[in-house]
Amino acid sequence: EVHLVASGGDLVQPGRSLRLSCITSGFTFGDYAMSWVRQAPGKGLHWVGFIRVKAYGGTTEYAASVNGRFTISRDDSKNIAYLQMNSLKTDDTAIYYCTRKMAPDAWGQGTLVTVSS
Amino acid sequence: SYELTQPPSVSVSPGQTAKITCSGDALPKRYAYWYQQKSGQVPVLVIYEDNKRPSEIPERFSGSGSGTMATLTISGALVEDEADYYCFSTDTVSRGVFGGGTKLTVL
Repeated sequence: EVHLVASGGDLVQPGRSLRLSCITSGFTFGDYAMSWVRQAPGKGLHWVGFIRVKAYGGTTEYAASVNGRFTISRDDSKNIAYLQMNSLKTDDTAIYYCTRKMAPDAWGQGTLVTVSS
Repeated sequence: SYELTQPPSVSVSPGQTAKITCSGDALPKRYAYWYQQKSGQVPVLVIYEDNKRPSEIPERFSGSGSGTMATLTISGALVEDEADYYCFSTDTVSRGVFGGGTKLTVL
């Protein structure tokens, strides 16, 4: 069974950084692109970005709203994906979901990030 | 930036057919995906690559596309289908985008 567990969410001040982790199991991690999707309280889904598999260079794409501030990485030896978030803004407050594939076919439970002074 | 447009709400009676649309300029060249999110729950994929249904999704869910519009159809909607539905696709440089979501009411 596919499992995705996101962690690392916290209350942080604007301008600070935070790193989220996504621990996975139940599938061959290195064979799949991984994405992050967020959902602000009471709002819709917002695609954050994704990382390709190593065979496709492990390159990344990001939504315009986070490009230059957020970085997605992966450790295929540990089956973990990461989301490094810098220069956080209050608008980044959301539940962050770790998902499998660029067009998600499996979702973790999400971790809450609150950006507030 | 690229956008996908959905109606904010759709309402049907139990047993009726619900249709939720998603419009986007790149849809003729890009697949559409549909997700169901019930209140307080994680989204679930119900349709992928325009019209394919995951094995665990009931047959009453189907997807179609024509030109710049994709459609999710729920034939014989049940009260348990009440949820928010989101379409998803990609732009021409492989960035993902979700539609704004449609609240389906079945009553």
